Amino acid sequence: GENVEQHPSTLSVQEGDSAVIKCTYSDSASNYFPWYKQELGKGPQLIIDIRSNVGEKKDQRIAVTLNKTAKHFSLHITETQPEDSAVYFCAGDTGRRALTFGSGTRLQVQP
Amino acid sequence: GAGVSQSPSNKVTEKGKDVELRCDPISGHTALYWYRQSLGQGLEFLIYFQGNSAPDKSGLPSDRFSAERTGGSVSTLTIQRTQQEDSAVYLCASSLARVKYTEAFFGQGTRLTVV
Repeated sequence: GENVEQHPSTLSVQEGDSAVIKCTYSDSASNYFPWYKQELGKGPQLIIDIRSNVGEKKDQRIAVTLNKTAKHFSLHITETQPEDSAVYFCAGDTGRRALTFGSGTRLQVQP
Repeated sequence: GAGVSQSPSNKVTEKGKDVELRCDPISGHTALYWYRQSLGQGLEFLIYFQGNSAPDKSGLPSDRFSAERTGGSVSTLTIQRTQQEDSAVYLCASSLARVKYTEAFFGQGTRLTVV
């Protein structure tokens, strides 16, 4: 089955700096890679996703890149703000079963 | 409803008791998932329902765990003879799986504490 690894487990940045979270996956059949943000006491919420037919996708301050050959994808947050502080999860989807999630990254943006 | 609804939001139970956790998915969503999140940990897959297909139960940690989905809508996750290691947040999600690779919407979770 799919295995998704995520790094780092914790990340602390100064407000205004960029943050990068990286994930690798094992199943070459995975074709969909969403990123979820989980705030304290809430369920995860989709913030951006990418399909295997593109290498990069941007939405305002967030972007995701995908390297299918190397089986890794990354989340980039620019101009970080305190409200970006949360736990972020990457995931891989082969379309055959439920999403497989990474272990999460706790991002702390210091004002 | 507007989103995925889970009940109860919090549940404290004594070791050895059975518990039932409920999930109301978004109307029209054919796929429903249960995940478990232990304190500070990632999302552990438990079970996946897709339309009328047989559910994927490969993530259930033991035979004390079971789930059903009635009428293709509401789902109940049952944990029998609860143990302290069952303490976690149980998250339900649903998606419009007729469209491949579509967003999964999560509920707010049920925090289960076994004492």
